[in-house]
Amino acid sequence: GDSVTQMEGPVTLSEEAFLTINCTYTATGYPSLFWYVQYPGEGLQLLLKATKADDKGSNKGFEATYRKETTSFHLEKGSVQVSDSAVYFCALNTGNQFYFGTGTSLTVIP
Amino acid sequence: DTGVSQDPRHKITKRGQNVTFRCDPISEHNRLYWYRQTLGQGPEFLTYFQNEAQLEKSRLLSDRFSAERPKGSFSTLEIQRTEQGDSAMYLCASSSGPGGLSYEQYFGPGTRLTVT
Repeated sequence: GDSVTQMEGPVTLSEEAFLTINCTYTATGYPSLFWYVQYPGEGLQLLLKATKADDKGSNKGFEATYRKETTSFHLEKGSVQVSDSAVYFCALNTGNQFYFGTGTSLTVIP
Repeated sequence: DTGVSQDPRHKITKRGQNVTFRCDPISEHNRLYWYRQTLGQGPEFLTYFQNEAQLEKSRLLSDRFSAERPKGSFSTLEIQRTEQGDSAMYLCASSSGPGGLSYEQYFGPGTRLTVT
């Protein structure tokens, strides 16, 4: 069935470091792909999305490219800030259901 | 509109009791979703409404679970004869869009259920 496999955490980085959180997926059909973020004490928020192969989603300095050939949607940021500390979820949709990864906790230290 | 709201935020109940949760979506959104999230896991899809019609139910949604959205606005999720395994965060989300599910989902703060 459809699923998302996400890099396990927790991840701890120093401020201004480069971030990559890996996400691969298994899906029938042509899914839309998403990254959601959950800041401490808050609800899930959409960070970025891509609806077809080779699309790049971007927001707040984060980017992810929909790679059909490698079934991946890795999240990257060139220079993380303390305020980026949160849990990040990769997700896909292929119809009427969404599938989320298990989440990757990121802590950025000054 | 201040976003998706859920009530109650926390619920503690004894095993075997019934519980009901409410979700109020963003007013102009026609789509509403319920998810369950346990510690260390991502949200698991439970069910989805378009207006008042329940269009999809996960196999995770046992017969003890029922969801309604009677007038296409707020929704309720009821769990009958609760079990300890039902302890989780129950999330509601809403979105708009004429078709497909690539539209952004807006999540509520969740209802945390503890079954003792």
